Amino acid sequence: GAVVSQHPSWVICKSGTSVKIECRSLDFQATTMFWYRQFPKQSLMLMATSNEGSKATYEQGVEKDKFLINHASLTLSTLTVTSAHPEDSSFYICSAPGQVGRGEAFFGQGTRLTVV
Amino acid sequence: SQQGEEDPQALSIQEGENATMNCSYKTSINNLQWYRQNSGRGLVHLILIRSNEREKHSGRLRVTLDTSKKSSSLLITASRAADTASYFCATEANQAGTALIFGKGTTLSVSS
Repeated sequence: GAVVSQHPSWVICKSGTSVKIECRSLDFQATTMFWYRQFPKQSLMLMATSNEGSKATYEQGVEKDKFLINHASLTLSTLTVTSAHPEDSSFYICSAPGQVGRGEAFFGQGTRLTVV
Repeated sequence: SQQGEEDPQALSIQEGENATMNCSYKTSINNLQWYRQNSGRGLVHLILIRSNEREKHSGRLRVTLDTSKKSSSLLITASRAADTASYFCATEANQAGTALIFGKGTTLSVSS
């Protein structure tokens, strides 16, 4: 089946620094990628939709200048958390959509971000 | 945004017992999917049920879907300690290319 590889799986950074998370589709092309955030003991919340060749679409309440999304190619989408603060510590996970109505989405392994 | 509630929020049972989790959603859907997440890890897809299906089985899993009530249930039979995890339902809307929207999840603890 399709594979989405997310890197890194965990990262610790200092407040004020930026962190880049990569999400690659390994054996298929993904014109769309979704980015989710999950705080401890909570569900996954959609942050933004990444579209190859165009600007990302952000969900209400998500700061586009803080969470920079780039979908540079059909196999790579990146999420950069800029000027990270401890409240940005969370589990970030990407996914590529499956065939509409036919199959499950393909999720990356997730990235555990801890800002100290 | 989230579709709705899952209940119960937490469920503790003994090995061998059955576990039932419920999920409600708000909008029209193409399909509904259930995922498992072990603590601090990624998602594992369990089962998908399409909007025109009412029941589906996969091993020890049984999923029902009632589109008139906008609800679904996941039954895990003969539970094992390894089933301990968080379970989420997620819905795919009718529009092409839309993101899955997740329910709040149920945390299942199975003790031996």
